[in-house]
Amino acid sequence: EDKVVQSPLSLVVHEGDTVTLNCSYEVTNFRSLLWYKQEKKAPTFLFMLTSSGIEKKSGRLSSILDKKELFSILNITATQTGDSAIYLCAVEWAGGTSYGKLTFGQGTILTVHP
Amino acid sequence: DAGITQSPRYKITETGRQVTLMCHQTWSHSYMFWYRQDLGHGLRLIYYSAAADITDKGEVPDGYVVSRSKTENFPLTLESATRSQTSVYFCARRGSAGELFFGEGSRLTVL
Repeated sequence: EDKVVQSPLSLVVHEGDTVTLNCSYEVTNFRSLLWYKQEKKAPTFLFMLTSSGIEKKSGRLSSILDKKELFSILNITATQTGDSAIYLCAVEWAGGTSYGKLTFGQGTILTVHP
Repeated sequence: DAGITQSPRYKITETGRQVTLMCHQTWSHSYMFWYRQDLGHGLRLIYYSAAADITDKGEVPDGYVVSRSKTENFPLTLESATRSQTSVYFCARRGSAGELFFGEGSRLTVL
């Protein structure tokens, strides 16, 4: 069965800490993996990864994909209270009748204390 | 601006009633999606649509109906609402680079 699994499900850290969020997947016909941040309302897009080993970076956030081992990580360095959110990972299907479908993981709830 | 408008934002209904959640995109992108979000389950795909008049089931389609007669609209109907359908519903459109842009969500409570 195709699935996307995130770990940990929740994480509590203090400002300044570095965190690593994990996303593993078992999806046939993989096309891309996406990361989202969700605060109080709708998820907002962070990164899209399609190739192994190429790091995407935006400020203190970075992400990388390993297509051989079927996982991705999202790193946040020097965390701030504004990083507190749910981080969602999604995998896009490539072929057949499921082309374009995105399947999400359960999300990781990150809480950053001052 | 995600270019996606959902309505209503909040809805309370009773078991057995029909409810329609509306979704409109100001762009004309082909792909649109409906997700529900419940604690502990992340976002689960209900239905998606590749283009007008083309729809397909996601992970949790039972109890829901969709239509897509026009590219910009993708309504979701609960034909006979049940308490288990109490949730936050998100509509999304695909952007040109493949990412999803979400609407603000519709919070539905079924009593």
